[in-house]
Amino acid sequence: DAGVIQSPRHEVTEMGQEVTLRCKPISGHNSLFWYRQTMMRGLELLIYFNNNVPIDDSGMPEDRFSAKMPNASFSTLKIQPSEPRDSAVYFCASSFWGVGQLGGAFEKLFFGSGTQLSVL
Amino acid sequence: QQQVKQSPQSLIVQKGGISIINCAYENTAFDYFPWYQQFPGKGPALLIAIRPDVSEKKEGRFTISFNKSAKQFSLHIMDSQPGDSATYFCAASKGSSNTGKLIFGQGTTLQVKP
Repeated sequence: DAGVIQSPRHEVTEMGQEVTLRCKPISGHNSLFWYRQTMMRGLELLIYFNNNVPIDDSGMPEDRFSAKMPNASFSTLKIQPSEPRDSAVYFCASSFWGVGQLGGAFEKLFFGSGTQLSVL
Repeated sequence: QQQVKQSPQSLIVQKGGISIINCAYENTAFDYFPWYQQFPGKGPALLIAIRPDVSEKKEGRFTISFNKSAKQFSLHIMDSQPGDSATYFCAASKGSSNTGKLIFGQGTTLQVKP
């Protein structure tokens, strides 16, 4: 398996421009997560989907951010308009959510290599 | 409160030594505690995880110790190697819902000197 695939790996844009980050989760996984990593705030969850449905978007910083998952194999995170404070590494992660051996509901989370976003 | 506090921020260990990273949490509803390892330019990767029904879990050179009453857990890396040099994150979540919703610590940068 190729793992979680994110594109682009690097994105440099100017303030005010629209930015779209893309993610292909691992085949068979039914949960997808978007995380953001910065020096100041560390790793923080922005939004996650179960079976392509957004479950919790409480981490999305503001209305400029939106995420979609039109099917089980693709998701996008869009920032419009972008601002310099959006500069960060954005990670997509996927997992299989179901009843596991431990009786819990979780299988481990696999992260992509991230998109380094720089907004000038 | 949803915080997970991690220490130290950075750690330097000699090859063959023991690396110890500590985390403390506040929310008693948390019931899944993973550790992630991240190399530069890569995403975090799950190293080892524990649930609060056990006090210790060992996988190879990596051990999690868990103290439920103190709301603390730690990662021990035995016989540390230069290849272990990376950033380590502890995390916590409520497993019964969807444990991909992780609350991460701030990370510890480990350098293992040859």
